[in-house]
Amino acid sequence: AQSVTQLDSHVSVSEGTPVLLRCNYSSSYSPSLFWYVQHPNKGLQLLLKYTSAATLVKGINGFEAEFKKSETSFHLTKPSAHMSDAAEYFCVNSGTYKYIFGTGTRLKVLA
Amino acid sequence: DGGITQSPKYLFRKEGQNVTLSCEQNLNHDAMYWYRQDPGQGLRLIYYSQIVNDFQKGDIAEGYSVSREKKESFPLTVTSAQKNPTAFYLCARDGSNEKLFFGSGTQLSVL
Repeated sequence: AQSVTQLDSHVSVSEGTPVLLRCNYSSSYSPSLFWYVQHPNKGLQLLLKYTSAATLVKGINGFEAEFKKSETSFHLTKPSAHMSDAAEYFCVNSGTYKYIFGTGTRLKVLA
Repeated sequence: DGGITQSPKYLFRKEGQNVTLSCEQNLNHDAMYWYRQDPGQGLRLIYYSQIVNDFQKGDIAEGYSVSREKKESFPLTVTSAQKNPTAFYLCARDGSNEKLFFGSGTQLSVL
């Protein structure tokens, strides 16, 4: 069965410092993995998607994620955090006809 | 809005009452989904539908019902059997390239 585990429920970083949001996945076959972001009082937006074409995936707003099969991980990173990055982030695994969401990581960016 | 519309934005349910949340899409896509969002629990799948007149239970279907009589409409009924209905409900449709498009959500509260 497909699943994802987000390892941190809350992450705080200072503006201008790197961001790391961690996600491990479980999959019985080659997975499709996603990161979505939800800003306060706004809808969910796709940040990036992995579908086996390349292990390093670049997304919007400077985010990227690296697929590591040996570690069953798909961590989201950004070199320098901006105040506008404060939001909730969800790692998602695509199963048969459905999408499985992680429990979310709330990112706080300190001035 | 990604071609998907949810209504109402806020809904209140009295004890013992069934309430129906509306979800409409105008882009002729087949797959539609209902998720429930609770703080710290991410998005949990309630029901999904791949084609008209067919739908499947997700992980937390108990106390909910759906219908898919038309391709563009996928309403969710929260029945009186759902003892903890207070949550944010999100409807989504599948776009091209496995990208989910979400509605703006309905906040359901119990009076």
